[in-house]
Amino acid sequence: GQSLEQPSEVTAVEGAIVQINCTYQTSGFYGLSWYQQHDGGAPTFLSYNGLDGLEETGRFSSFLSRSDSYGYLLLQELQMKDSASYFCAVRASGFQKLVFGTGTRLLVSP
Amino acid sequence: GAGVSQSPSNKVTEKGKDVELRCDPISGHTALYWYRQSLGQGLEFLIYFQGNSAPDKSGLPSDRFSAERTGGSVSTLTIQRTQQEDSAVYLCASSLRSTGENIQYFGAGTRLSVL
Repeated sequence: GQSLEQPSEVTAVEGAIVQINCTYQTSGFYGLSWYQQHDGGAPTFLSYNGLDGLEETGRFSSFLSRSDSYGYLLLQELQMKDSASYFCAVRASGFQKLVFGTGTRLLVSP
Repeated sequence: GAGVSQSPSNKVTEKGKDVELRCDPISGHTALYWYRQSLGQGLEFLIYFQGNSAPDKSGLPSDRFSAERTGGSVSTLTIQRTQQEDSAVYLCASSLRSTGENIQYFGAGTRLSVL
């Protein structure tokens, strides 16, 4: 089976940088994804890592180390609108579905 | 359509009744997924459809849950004899075969309340 661990909550102030970690256990591996979900809203895709290294998309970056079964989402220049829940998700090779972590609630304060 | 559409947005039902939830995926997306999300929790996979292949039903929690996808497009999730523990937000997502299952586009969900 697959399992993921991420912190339940992270707090930061506007303008700061925050890192949300995700460790996973899978039988085989086929990519780590990140999704953002505002309260009452739909999850939206943020980033995907299929290979080791850093992927950058504007203020957001995501990192993957397959040897460590570890990844993180880095949010820079935090804004109030970044307050949301962030989910990491993995797809194990041979499976067509994503398995999501329990989510990290990010609270950005002024 | 422009995005994944789900209906109804909210559904209140009495324990023991059957409910049907509808999902209209993005046009051209061959893959469709159903998830369940309880308050403050992660997304629990329910079922996956890909083209004409047999669906992956491994996440359905009991035989009271079923889903179908007609014509490779619209999907209906049916919950029979609803129980209070079925109360949750039911999310539908779709994806393009070419981008794989890692990039999914979600609908706004149906909030189901079983009284």
